[in-house]
Amino acid sequence: RKEVEQDPGPFNVPEGATVAFNCTYSNSASQSFFWYRQDCRKEPKLLMSVYSSGNEDGRFTAQLNRASQYISLLIRDSKLSDSATYLCAVISGGGADGLTFGKGTHLIIQP
Amino acid sequence: SAVISQKPSRDICQRGTSLTIQCQVDSQVTMMFWYRQQPGQSLTLIATANQGSEATYESGFVIDKFPISRPNLTFSTLTVSNMSPEDSSIYLCSVEGTPSGANVLTFGAGSRLTVL
Repeated sequence: RKEVEQDPGPFNVPEGATVAFNCTYSNSASQSFFWYRQDCRKEPKLLMSVYSSGNEDGRFTAQLNRASQYISLLIRDSKLSDSATYLCAVISGGGADGLTFGKGTHLIIQP
Repeated sequence: SAVISQKPSRDICQRGTSLTIQCQVDSQVTMMFWYRQQPGQSLTLIATANQGSEATYESGFVIDKFPISRPNLTFSTLTVSNMSPEDSSIYLCSVEGTPSGANVLTFGAGSRLTVL
């Protein structure tokens, strides 16, 4: 089993809809979790950290399910500009040098 | 947040040659990280560049193939040596820290390398 797995998609979603996707991780000792956004031919940028209690930032909600070892990202009222690849990242030990990235989920918001 | 300048942004190279990628940060940072992102693949850490000591390489990456320099706290280079088409990839440098705290990475724009 790969350390961090994501459905590569693409997810084709109409504008205004709600979309959610998950990321599973294999190491139960993982401590820190993140969602990054990567636009085409651009570098990844942090979207949000994922806290144990879950967190919300505007239209974006991230949640952690330790029992089932996955994190989720929910996007409400999706915009065309949300089209991107969403990478999850997990730290299983150590610091930032212990970050493992998933391959990303490709999201396409359609007008 | 840190501003990272990376160059070249892209290059096309011949098999067997070497290319050095430079990464400049606008603030002093303890660790700089070099990643590779191959088409359709996840970001893979190549090595951690530490100032004043040798870089720490991840499994599958060796210093002879990817020598790294870290002469000061704001600059690092990654060389891709004796290139083959399999080295075609995007190479990204990154640093940890602000504004979102520890373990959060800020990336440079990347260097897209094509080896013929």
